[in-house]
Amino acid sequence: GAGVSQSPRYKVAKRGQDVALRCDPISGHVSLFWYQQALGQGPEFLTYFQNEAQLDKSGLPSDRFFAERPEGSVSTLKIQRTQQEDSAVYLCASSLAGRRDTEAFFGQGTRLTVV
Amino acid sequence: AQSVTQLGSHVSVSEGALVLLRCNYSSSVPPYLFWYVQYPNQGLQLLLKYTSAATLVKGINGFEAEFKKSETSFHLTKPSAHMSDAAEYFCAVSETGRRALTFGSGTRLQVQP
Repeated sequence: GAGVSQSPRYKVAKRGQDVALRCDPISGHVSLFWYQQALGQGPEFLTYFQNEAQLDKSGLPSDRFFAERPEGSVSTLKIQRTQQEDSAVYLCASSLAGRRDTEAFFGQGTRLTVV
Repeated sequence: AQSVTQLGSHVSVSEGALVLLRCNYSSSVPPYLFWYVQYPNQGLQLLLKYTSAATLVKGINGFEAEFKKSETSFHLTKPSAHMSDAAEYFCAVSETGRRALTFGSGTRLQVQP
């Protein structure tokens, strides 16, 4: 596809369950970002990859959150032992270059509900 | 750390009226600034960006924004609202030394017929 693709679109998890969220960025895009968007709030940065290297993970809220991009394209965000406060929309974005002024293209997000 | 403040979580205008969505940033160094729009159940779409070139930036769908350093503002405007403009709008700043965007809390725009 032409855009950033995220799967699943919706995920319901029982508290304590592990989840894995997938992001397929636009082909050839070097940079990949994960954001968390709570209800009624703006997206908040989680982590950033340049190719396969995770250059910034300062936004990950706890050690239960883990992200990888092993081959520099598809990325997975994993949340272990989910808690109710993890309920949010998780957005993935990619950009062609690693410069600050480069447009980031966003996926539709994965809505995670922890019950 | 830089921050973004969007005044007014909800703005309602009549169709054909001026749209003004406010954004102020805090930074000692002129940042890069962005406006994104989010339609229901869709990802964010870039409307326009300021990257230290012209202070008046024109974007898609008739929107524009003016960077005012003295006021640390980057307000979004459109002369005449259309029903299709109803959406959530986010102002964002690119932090110095980081690639990530810092977003404001968003403004939901309603357009009344």
